Amino acid sequence: DVVMTQSPLSLPVTLGQPASISCRSSQSLVYSDGNTYLHWFQQRPGQSPRRLIYKVSDRDSGVPDRFSGSGSGTDFTLKISRVEAEDLGVYYCMQGTHWPKTFGQGTKLEIK
Amino acid sequence: EVQLVESGGGLVQPGGSLRLSCAASGFTFTRYWMNWVRQAPGKGPEWVANIKEDGSDKYYVDSVKGRFTISRDNAKNSLYLQMNSLRADDTAVYYCARGEGAVWGQGTLVTVSS
Repeated sequence: DVVMTQSPLSLPVTLGQPASISCRSSQSLVYSDGNTYLHWFQQRPGQSPRRLIYKVSDRDSGVPDRFSGSGSGTDFTLKISRVEAEDLGVYYCMQGTHWPKTFGQGTKLEIK
Repeated sequence: EVQLVESGGGLVQPGGSLRLSCAASGFTFTRYWMNWVRQAPGKGPEWVANIKEDGSDKYYVDSVKGRFTISRDNAKNSLYLQMNSLRADDTAVYYCARGEGAVWGQGTLVTVSS
């Protein structure tokens, strides 16, 4: 199985400041169709996961533009330009290129 | 409104069976792969199974192969997960999800315990 490794696992942040989460995969996530199926999810306490970013850098509908994704091959990053209170929760990267689809361990974004 | 609503969870003894359902609405169900994803208490999500638009292809994570069966009824816009030989480590919230995770249901809790 493809192993997804996130860092850091805990990210204390100050509201209004930027935040960045790294995700590395144990194999290339480039699929045979040329797409890279690396996605980012947010999970607030007591809620279902919500997808924020799909295929590395495309924002889902309704996702604020302070969220951005980048990367290629095996190295990916989620950035929040200015953290707001509603951003607190756990963030997961997920690869959909190889079966089984796998998630990272999660990064808990919390107030410093 | 695009919506997925799971049902069928509950408490079951080890070795028992349970059938989960997911009712889809607000989108063309037949255009999407559908998935079951579970999340054990305090853990990250785990992709369990998925099924092609017409039901012709199905994939399972190794830990549930031979015990779980995913199916769909496109006439009823519904997705199912038949779970047999349940074990304590199957305890989790089970989510129905569309495609590459663009839409999720609220989840249904399955607890396997004596």
